[in-house]
This record gives sequence, structure tokens and C-alpha cells, in this order.
Amino acid sequence: DSGVTQTPKHLITATGQRVTLRCSPRSGDLSVYWYQQSLDQGLQFLIQYYNGEERAKGNILERFSAQQFPDLHSELNLSSLELGDSALYFCASSVVPTRYNEQFFGPGTRLTVL
Amino acid sequence: DQQVKQNSPSLSVQEGRISILNCDYTNSMFDYFLWYKKYPAEGPTFLISISSIKDKNEDGRFTVFLNKSAKHLSLHIVPSQPGDSAVYFCAASEGSSNTGKLIFGQGTTLQVKP
Repeated sequence: DSGVTQTPKHLITATGQRVTLRCSPRSGDLSVYWYQQSLDQGLQFLIQYYNGEERAKGNILERFSAQQFPDLHSELNLSSLELGDSALYFCASSVVPTRYNEQFFGPGTRLTVL
Repeated sequence: DQQVKQNSPSLSVQEGRISILNCDYTNSMFDYFLWYKKYPAEGPTFLISISSIKDKNEDGRFTVFLNKSAKHLSLHIVPSQPGDSAVYFCAASEGSSNTGKLIFGQGTTLQVKP
């Protein structure tokens, strides 16, 4: 158990809908990361937050947005969903936001768009 | 544009033998590399890392080798154990970035047979 929790574990929805994925980082971790893993693909970096502020951005679609709240939990919002958005979405956290800090991953949320 | 590539989707080895997992990268700005291991239904967990100022880093049964001129790294597991059966991801980060952004390969599924 990494200490990072993600809810829900599974989510099935229809095209055009909007969903919110939630992540609670490990106690004491200030930085949160979101990754997307599509079928047979590696993890694609989406976005990173540090203490409530956006720190780095990857190839995140405009239909996707995220935020980190004062209690440090984070939410990833996906809207106007398309079939291709079906994937595993991982959240990770680290104490500080630099690359030498180990990232601890949650178990992921599996999103299925029908 | 896949900047980190793991060209072998799968590898099968006998228990007790050496497992060698390979990873190639194209971005010459990458200067820190990591290996993550992932079991089914779990998030990836950090295994070992190497900075570009080194060509080898060892941690118990795991050794990572870096060949900067070839833009190639490999993970050696000796001796391999059935519990090592998992998906292994190679990841890299850029020196110019002071964030935790990681670029992952597609992963290699290792099966260690008893």
C-alpha cells in the first residue's frame, strides 16, 4: 500500500459525459501528479501540482482539468468524454516536486467510456 | 513521438537466471532515469534510478546500466525470482526541468518461470 488513495476504482460512463477522479496523496506529500495509461501504452504525464499550484503540464487535453485543494487532495476533471479517453488514470505524490523525489503511485482509476 | 521506448513487450526467463530489460531514449536532455515495477491492479512502484553522471547503479539483485552515447539503459535482475514477474517501466526526466515530470516507456512484461 503506497498510501496514495484514488476513488473511484472503476468508472463506466457514456460519450459526452463529465467525470471527476479524486486522489488523496500520502500524508506529508505536497506534490501530486496525474498520469494516463491507455491500452498497451506507457504512462503519459498529464499534470503536476505542488502545494495547490500547477507546477508542470504535459500533453493534457483542453477537455481535461485538474486542481489541488488546500487539504492537498487533487481532482482530475474529464469532460466531453470520447471513446479514446478510456484508460487507467494514476495519481502519484511526492514530498517535494523535484525529479529526485520518489513518486508514490495510487492503484489507479479505470475509466471506461461507452 | 515516443521519447522513451521499450521495444520488447515481453520477456520470459527461468528462475535463477538473469533478466535483462532494455530501454532506449531519444531526448539528449534526459539526464535522470528510473525503473518502476507494476503488479496487476496496483500502481507502479519505484525500483532503482541512475543519474547520467554514472554508468552503473546497483541495489541488491537489481543493477541499472546507462550507455549515454547509445542513449540506452538496461535493468539486470540477478538471480530472477518468480516474485519479479511484473510489468517494468523505464522513465526519464530532463535536466532543464525542476519538476517531477517523468516520461515513461510502454513497459515490458517479465515472466519468471519456476
